[in-house]
Amino acid sequence: DQQVKQNSPSLSVQEGRISILNCDYTNSMFDYFLWYKKYPAEGPTFLISISSIKDKNEDGRFTVFLNKSAKHLSLHIVPSQPGDSAVYFCAASISGNTGKLIFGQGTTLQVKP
Amino acid sequence: NAGVMQNPRHLVRRRGQEARLRCSPVKGHSHVYWYRQLPEEGLKFMVYLQKENIIDESGMPKERFSAEFPKEGPSILRIQQVVRGDSAAYFCASSPQTGGGNTIYFGEGSWLTVV
Repeated sequence: DQQVKQNSPSLSVQEGRISILNCDYTNSMFDYFLWYKKYPAEGPTFLISISSIKDKNEDGRFTVFLNKSAKHLSLHIVPSQPGDSAVYFCAASISGNTGKLIFGQGTTLQVKP
Repeated sequence: NAGVMQNPRHLVRRRGQEARLRCSPVKGHSHVYWYRQLPEEGLKFMVYLQKENIIDESGMPKERFSAEFPKEGPSILRIQQVVRGDSAAYFCASSPQTGGGNTIYFGEGSWLTVV
């Protein structure tokens, strides 16, 4: 039962353009969402998060949008840089148990120079 | 990755042997989590521990797997009688408290290969 889904295994964009990574979830109890970035042979690194009381959170080049009615969130990276090339994981949790994250399968982003 | 130390980074075991993975959390963190990543999949929660207590082990396989976080020393994930399907990357994470996913720091991972 995949409660958090990233349906695009890979995405390729040109440097300077926008990267949009998508994530869908099924459990309406989730109320905290995160994006992690992961390089090969390294652990995940936290990027940005959003609480269900918001619909947008912005941090520099990274913006996360949350559509609760559609159970959908997205990560926008503008402008994309070659160093952004990595695997991006969407994760969700239920408040009070925020160390227990449910991860999506990941999307591999390639930013071409 | 804020100082979560895992070792060994790479471990090769033959089927039937035991694997022990160690995790030292960020100094001052009292909450430890173990996750497993199988090839081509996302990370899956295994267990949540505090010092000398298992808080949530709902993601742990029922047999052969155990975890501890003693009063002194690192957290240990132990896999007995390993099988090829145990080959995966095992990530440890720690936090000072349970509030907020952005306070969870992951280690670099331990890659287990069962031959």
